[in-house]
Amino acid sequence: QQQVKQSPQSLIVQKGGISIINCAYENTAFDYFPWYQQFPGKGPALLIAIRPDVSEKKEGRFTISFNKSAKQFSLHIMDSQPGDSATYFCAASKSGNKLVFGAGTILRVKS
Amino acid sequence: DTGVSQNPRHKITKRGQNVTFRCDPISEHNRLYWYRQTLGQGPEFLTYFQNEAQLEKSRLLSDRFSAERPKGSFSTLEIQRTEQGDSAMYLCASSTTLLTDEQFFGPGTRLTVL
Repeated sequence: QQQVKQSPQSLIVQKGGISIINCAYENTAFDYFPWYQQFPGKGPALLIAIRPDVSEKKEGRFTISFNKSAKQFSLHIMDSQPGDSATYFCAASKSGNKLVFGAGTILRVKS
Repeated sequence: DTGVSQNPRHKITKRGQNVTFRCDPISEHNRLYWYRQTLGQGPEFLTYFQNEAQLEKSRLLSDRFSAERPKGSFSTLEIQRTEQGDSAMYLCASSTTLLTDEQFFGPGTRLTVL
């Protein structure tokens, strides 16, 4: 039962471009939506997170846009760099409990 | 300031053997989570503890899996009679009840069952 759907599966972006990854969720009880970055052989690292009471959150080059009515949220990486090449996961949880993850997006930034 | 640590980092075992993994959470984090990640997929929840109490177990956690957190600090995950389908990365995460939503992950234990 996939409660969080993530797209695209893979993405190639030129250096300096904008990377956009989208997620959609089903459970309206979810109230916390983080994005994680994972490099090969490493554990996921928390990048940025948002709650449904705001529509956008920005931290450095990373921005989350949140659309509560559409049950969708997205990650934008501005000025993408080769070092951003990694797998990105969206996730959702209810009241600080278990995270439900999307299937991941493999991002490659070409220099 | 140390993050979540997991040991061993890699484990190769033969089918039918038992294996045990250890997770040491961030100091003073009272919540500890176990997830399993297979190649090309996102992590899937297995179980979590608040202090020493195991509060939730996924249906993915068959009878061959058991997890403990005896003193509310480190945790162990044991898999009995391993099967090839158990091959995966086992991830541990921790959080505090002050910031319960932010989970910090360890590097994982890569299990290969031959």
